[in-house]
Amino acid sequence: GAVVSQHPSRVICKSGTSVKIECRSLDFQATTMFWYRQFPKKSLMLMATSNEGSKATYEQGVEKDKFLINHASLTLSTLTVTSAHPEDSSFYICSARPSLISSGYTFGSGTRLTVV
Amino acid sequence: QQQVKQSPQSLIVQKGGISIINCAYENTAFDYFPWYQQFPGKGPALLIAIRPDVSEKKEGRFTISFNKSAKQFSLHIMDSQPGDSATYFCAAIHSGSRLTFGEGTQLTVNP
Repeated sequence: GAVVSQHPSRVICKSGTSVKIECRSLDFQATTMFWYRQFPKKSLMLMATSNEGSKATYEQGVEKDKFLINHASLTLSTLTVTSAHPEDSSFYICSARPSLISSGYTFGSGTRLTVV
Repeated sequence: QQQVKQSPQSLIVQKGGISIINCAYENTAFDYFPWYQQFPGKGPALLIAIRPDVSEKKEGRFTISFNKSAKQFSLHIMDSQPGDSATYFCAAIHSGSRLTFGEGTQLTVNP
């Protein structure tokens, strides 16, 4: 089946530094990928839609300068948390839709970011 | 219009029992209703999904019941096992839109 690989699974960084999270579609091409943020015991909150070869579309309230998204190829999207602060600590998850025919979405395994 | 309401927020079931999670939606344009299972520290995984032209879909111990007129759908987990303990999310989507998630249900199956 369709697999979305997300790395790293866990990262700890110091305040003020930047962290990059990678999301790869392993056996399909993804023109669109989605980035979510999830707080403990809460649902997934869509942050942005990543489009291959064009700018990402950010949800209202999400700082695009803080959460930089790059979708340089049909199999890779990256989320960079710039100048990270403790309040950016969260669980970040990417997803992609393997087929234009199917409506199903496949999710990565998530990245636990801790900013100290 | 984009909301999906999910209940209960948490559910405790004994091993072998039936777990039932309910969702209701507002947007009649939704045409695909997936359920996701999420274990702690992991991303959601598709469990089962249904389209509104079907009233029920069963895969193993998991069944979706769909009531189009009431705009409601539910997940039934038969013979619940401790390994089913996880957070379950219902979701809805229509072509060209993004996934709309319910608030999630934390299921605990006691041995």
